[in-house]
Amino acid sequence: DGGITQSPKYLFRKEGQNVTLSCEQNLNHDAMYWYRQDPGQGLRLIYYSQIVNDFQKGDIAEGYSVSREKKESFPLTVTSAQKNPTAFYLCASSVGTSGEQFFGPGTRLTVL
Amino acid sequence: AQKITQTQPGMFVQEKEAVTLDCTYDTSDQSYGLFWYKQPSSGEMIFLIYQGSYDEQNATEGRYSLNFQKARKSANLVISASQLGDSAMYFCANFGNEKLTFGTGTRLTIIP
Repeated sequence: DGGITQSPKYLFRKEGQNVTLSCEQNLNHDAMYWYRQDPGQGLRLIYYSQIVNDFQKGDIAEGYSVSREKKESFPLTVTSAQKNPTAFYLCASSVGTSGEQFFGPGTRLTVL
Repeated sequence: AQKITQTQPGMFVQEKEAVTLDCTYDTSDQSYGLFWYKQPSSGEMIFLIYQGSYDEQNATEGRYSLNFQKARKSANLVISASQLGDSAMYFCANFGNEKLTFGTGTRLTIIP
């Protein structure tokens, strides 16, 4: 089955530690995205990538970093510079740069 | 800048009734796309329906239809014959400048 996987589902980290969230897709999609969702809020775009080895900042990129070394993978690192990292993180992909995006199940990150 | 407004934080609807979820948008783009996504309690986002700014007909997908009023900048989602499985968060989004901008969502609860 084609789809997007994110692991783990729940992640706990101590304040000041960097943490990397995994996102893998086997849909052969060119574009991939990372979103953050806070309670009572819509999704906000962190980073996106249209092709391998290239990515662009979204609306809230500060304190985050990404890489796109393979078409299938788009990991997100939440650095210690991110002041409020506790949130629900969603990864998505699309055929081209498109609003019709396919989402993974999300990772809920809690920083203690 | 893109902006999406969803003014209904929550709605309760009797099973089998129709429901309309409101969405207004603000954009300076001539060409844009409006999307609706469903987010069940499990967290993943599910694409429901799309309306292009130049589409003359309102979009329909099964029980979902989009009441698009361009002059009013509104793109309301209509769900006909609601089912218990329709209980979820619903997000309206606008695609412009290579990214989706989401509203804050409406929590829909279907009452048996």
